[in-house]
Amino acid sequence: NAGVTQTPKFQVLKTGQSMTLQCAQDMNHNSMYWYRQDPGMGLRLIYYSASEGTTDKGEVPNGYNVSRLNKREFSLRLESAAPSQTSVYFCASSVSYNEKLFFGSGTQLSVL
Amino acid sequence: QKEVEQNSGPLSVPEGAIASLNCTYSDRGSQSFFWYRQYSGKSPELIMSIYSNGDKEDGRFTAQLNKASQYVSLLIRDSQPSDSATYLCAVNPYSGNQFYFGTGTSLTVIP
Repeated sequence: NAGVTQTPKFQVLKTGQSMTLQCAQDMNHNSMYWYRQDPGMGLRLIYYSASEGTTDKGEVPNGYNVSRLNKREFSLRLESAAPSQTSVYFCASSVSYNEKLFFGSGTQLSVL
Repeated sequence: QKEVEQNSGPLSVPEGAIASLNCTYSDRGSQSFFWYRQYSGKSPELIMSIYSNGDKEDGRFTAQLNKASQYVSLLIRDSQPSDSATYLCAVNPYSGNQFYFGTGTSLTVIP
């Protein structure tokens, strides 16, 4: 049982480049989330999808876009990467909105 | 004021001792509370959830919630070196639409 799968695990970008982080869950969860984790800042919510077909901004959405492709998949796109977006990104899912979260293994992103 | 505050530590306890981790939150109407464990370089994993005042026990772990004082704590009995990790407190405010996470407390259990 894979749970929540994120790709890639590591990525280095140059300022201004774009990329998409992929996330898929096989637990039939309705809600999916993207968080970033920075030292001393804790986990902060970027975007979430409470159910298939809906997406909403979280605490730190600027510079990001998301797509809930179907019930299983939720992607995060950086259109023009900035050094401030250097972080560890976690995708998570839950049975329903704001229930206990199951996290993917994370993506370490560096923007130079 | 941050929504959720934790002492960043590090907290060190000897093997076999009780580790006590604390978390305070600002929204008095908060409804649900979670403790996650995160090993270095890994993703968070849920340890405990608690929704009502009092204690909730699961094996060596006990979560304690006091809504009047706006704090939630996690006790780890008979601490083991494998418990060495960062512990994250997460709170779902009544008025909010997302979880708020604390910055985590680093725990080291010394053999």
